[in-house]
Amino acid sequence: DVKVTQSSRYLVKRTGEKVFLECVQDMDHENMFWYRQDPGLGLRLIYFSYDVKMKEKGDIPEGYSVSREKKERFSLILESASTNQTSMYLCASRFRTYDVIRRGNTIYFGEGSWLTVV
Amino acid sequence: GENVEQHPSTLSVQEGDSAVIKCTYSDSASNYFPWYKQELGKGPQLIIDIRSNVGEKKDQRIAVTLNKTAKHFSLHITETQPEDSAVYFCAASKGPTSYDKVIFGPGTSLSVIP
Repeated sequence: DVKVTQSSRYLVKRTGEKVFLECVQDMDHENMFWYRQDPGLGLRLIYFSYDVKMKEKGDIPEGYSVSREKKERFSLILESASTNQTSMYLCASRFRTYDVIRRGNTIYFGEGSWLTVV
Repeated sequence: GENVEQHPSTLSVQEGDSAVIKCTYSDSASNYFPWYKQELGKGPQLIIDIRSNVGEKKDQRIAVTLNKTAKHFSLHITETQPEDSAVYFCAASKGPTSYDKVIFGPGTSLSVIP
């Protein structure tokens, strides 16, 4: 079974702190994603990565950065946490899109990291 | 920009009844439409998907229909059970390309009342 593991399920941080959310996948997926989930707003893409050291901004990148030094690991960084970044963060992974015919297009999600900024 | 709308936002049904969730998408180039189920405290999981060259797909109690002309697609759950209670997300994407952005709807919270 594919496993996407988010190391921290629940975090409480103070305003202004630097926050790291870590994600690891075990399926050799090229693509990795960070989404933010808020009630009524669905899943909004923060950043994604095509492959190692590659990253692209999603719909709401402001206040966030990412790091992809190894294929299996994708980190989300909140440079200076603010209360409006209190949310649930979901990491996901998938095969490279031009492999979808052979290997499928499914996005696999982690279980989420609940972040509260006080 | 690309957009996926989803209705209703909440849905309550009696156990054994059917549930229908509807989505519309804005980008006519979209060709892949997955549905995800998110149980409480968990990440979303794919339950069924459909490609644009197919009008309907069924897997046991769940089915998805697609109307490309109207840019609508729907999830149908028959003989609902309490374990179907969850948040359901529809999504749309186009590809395959080197980057295939997946746009999610806002979600539908389904409650199945025993």
